[in-house]
Amino acid sequence: DIQMTQSPSSLSASVGDRVTITCRASQDISNFLVWFRQKPGKAPQSLIYAASSLHSGVPSKFSGGGSGTEFTLTITSLQPEDFATYYCQQYDTYPPTFGGGTNVEIK
Amino acid sequence: QVQLVESGGGLVKPGGSLRLSCAASGFIFSDYWMSWIRQTPGKGLEWISYISPGGTTTNYADSVRGRFTISRDDAKNSVYVQMNSLRAEDTAVYYCGRVGSTVKAGFVDYWGQGALVTVSS
Repeated sequence: DIQMTQSPSSLSASVGDRVTITCRASQDISNFLVWFRQKPGKAPQSLIYAASSLHSGVPSKFSGGGSGTEFTLTITSLQPEDFATYYCQQYDTYPPTFGGGTNVEIK
Repeated sequence: QVQLVESGGGLVKPGGSLRLSCAASGFIFSDYWMSWIRQTPGKGLEWISYISPGGTTTNYADSVRGRFTISRDDAKNSVYVQMNSLRAEDTAVYYCGRVGSTVKAGFVDYWGQGALVTVSS
């Protein structure tokens, strides 16, 4: 199975900050990567597919980049609702596999 | 808006069975592949199964193949997972998801809030 590694595993930031999360794949997955976020007790929310395309309704403060084995998720102007855990997932190869998550906390 | 609501979670003994249900609304259910994914504090997120529109094609993770069965009832806008021979390591929150794209291995674009399954004696 393809291993997905996220870094950092957690970070502290302030409202208004810009943060970047990295996701690395254990082999080339082209751009077959999604990002989503999860808040405690809530349904996960999709953010980005195909590494850089925004899901419907997701604001442009979220942006994704990368291809091959290294990918990034950048969030600008952090707001209180953005403090959550963010995950990547590859869909290049069965089975789909997930990163371990990055917890974005309020500083 | 798309809504997915899981039900049927609970406490079950090792070797026991449980059936989870997921009721969908806000989209044409019969047009979409559906999926089950689970999450544990230790192993994180794990995709476990897909089912095609009409239920003609299914796929399973190695960890559950032969023990879990995914099914759907398009008339009821619902997808199910029958879980047999449950083990302690099946303890997890189980999420139902709508498959947003079937390109390559596919991904979920809408998720439910999850159902907790605890396997313990």
